[in-house]
Amino acid sequence: DSGVTQTPKHLITATGQRVTLRCSPRSGDLSVYWYQQSLDQGLQFLIQYYNGEERAKGNILERFSAQQFPDLHSELNLSSLELGDSALYFCASSAGTGRPQHFGDGTRLSIL
Amino acid sequence: AQKITQTQPGMFVQEKEAVTLDCTYDTSDQSYGLFWYKQPSSGEMIFLIYQGSYDEQNATEGRYSLNFQKARKSANLVISASQLGDSAMYFCAMREGANSGYALNFGKGTSLLVTP
Repeated sequence: DSGVTQTPKHLITATGQRVTLRCSPRSGDLSVYWYQQSLDQGLQFLIQYYNGEERAKGNILERFSAQQFPDLHSELNLSSLELGDSALYFCASSAGTGRPQHFGDGTRLSIL
Repeated sequence: AQKITQTQPGMFVQEKEAVTLDCTYDTSDQSYGLFWYKQPSSGEMIFLIYQGSYDEQNATEGRYSLNFQKARKSANLVISASQLGDSAMYFCAMREGANSGYALNFGKGTSLLVTP
């Protein structure tokens, strides 16, 4: 158990819809990272938050957004969903730069 | 831009044998970190081992060790005494710099199958 909690584990929805993925980091970790894992793109960094503030953006689409709340949990919002958004979405947290990132079990998103 | 290369899409090893999974990287940064993660068929990502670019000793964690050759820019994972439960995808990753929030850049992975 990594200590990082992601909900839901599975999500099935239709094109054009909007979903919210939730992540609770390990106790004490201030950094939260979101990654997308798909068959064609592999594992890609989407966005990072540190103590409530956005710190870095990777290959995140404009239809996607995220935030980190005062209690340090984070949400990833995906809107106007397309078939190609089907993927495994991971949240990871770390205690600081250079420290290992510990991953949640992921949310598997299927777009029908 | 940084790049991680894992040249072995799939590997087989017999139980109790040792296996080496290759990883090479490309970076112009002086300070970086290298990680290995295991992803079983159930999908979760499990942190295995970390090596900092300034660490002089190779990292070890139980049956896992990292063969770090800085001049060659390689960071191979060695698993000793393989077990059936080691069958999984293995990803090598590099921690990027401050501009990327120290995010991880992953290789494409190596699928390891441990046979009885």
